[in-house]
Amino acid sequence: GAGVSQTPSNKVTEKGKYVELRCDPISGHTALYWYRQSLGQGPEFLIYFQGTGAADDSGLPNDRFFAVRPEGSVSTLKIQRTERGDSAVYLCASSLSAGGPGEQFFGPGTRLTVL
Amino acid sequence: TQLLEQSPQFLSIQEGENLTVYCNSSSVFSSLQWYRQEPGEGPVLLVTVVTGGEVKKLKRLTFQFGDARKDSSLHITAAQPGDTGLYLCAVSTNDYKLSFGAGTTVTVRA
Repeated sequence: GAGVSQTPSNKVTEKGKYVELRCDPISGHTALYWYRQSLGQGPEFLIYFQGTGAADDSGLPNDRFFAVRPEGSVSTLKIQRTERGDSAVYLCASSLSAGGPGEQFFGPGTRLTVL
Repeated sequence: TQLLEQSPQFLSIQEGENLTVYCNSSSVFSSLQWYRQEPGEGPVLLVTVVTGGEVKKLKRLTFQFGDARKDSSLHITAAQPGDTGLYLCAVSTNDYKLSFGAGTTVTVRA
């Protein structure tokens, strides 16, 4: 069955460039989440969408980071003026709905390297 | 300061041995989750514990939630190479935001 997919699997860019990371959630899942996982750490919450709207973007580190989900399905995480400190694995997850102990299903992640 | 402290950070054992990893906090939680993450993959949920003192078993894995719901442990009996991975504990805040510990990297040598 189709799980959460993320593209690209790897992205190498230069400092100062713009990148877009894509997430395709499980069909029918209304809640979508982005996390960032640095080396040797657990994932850290970035943003949560319920449908098309960002219900909580409190984890975005600064205004260089932005995410959209225009049709309530696919989401794109956008990073402007990338910095070396942005290098990490960016994980996307989706769940049937938000709230309660519902399981979040994670994609394989996009490994971003900023040179 | 991390909400969840996991120990040890790394664990390497021989196939057939037992191991225990720990997840500790000073906060009380309504539930706690354990995940396993393999290289190049996202975390996969293993179990959710909800009640203080609860013990759940998943084949050779035994999960325990502390009586005060501040800590948890994962015990693996007769570890196999397929158990190799990063074990993460996590709690849900605001009903949707998962907060993870830094994880324990387990390596089981054949």
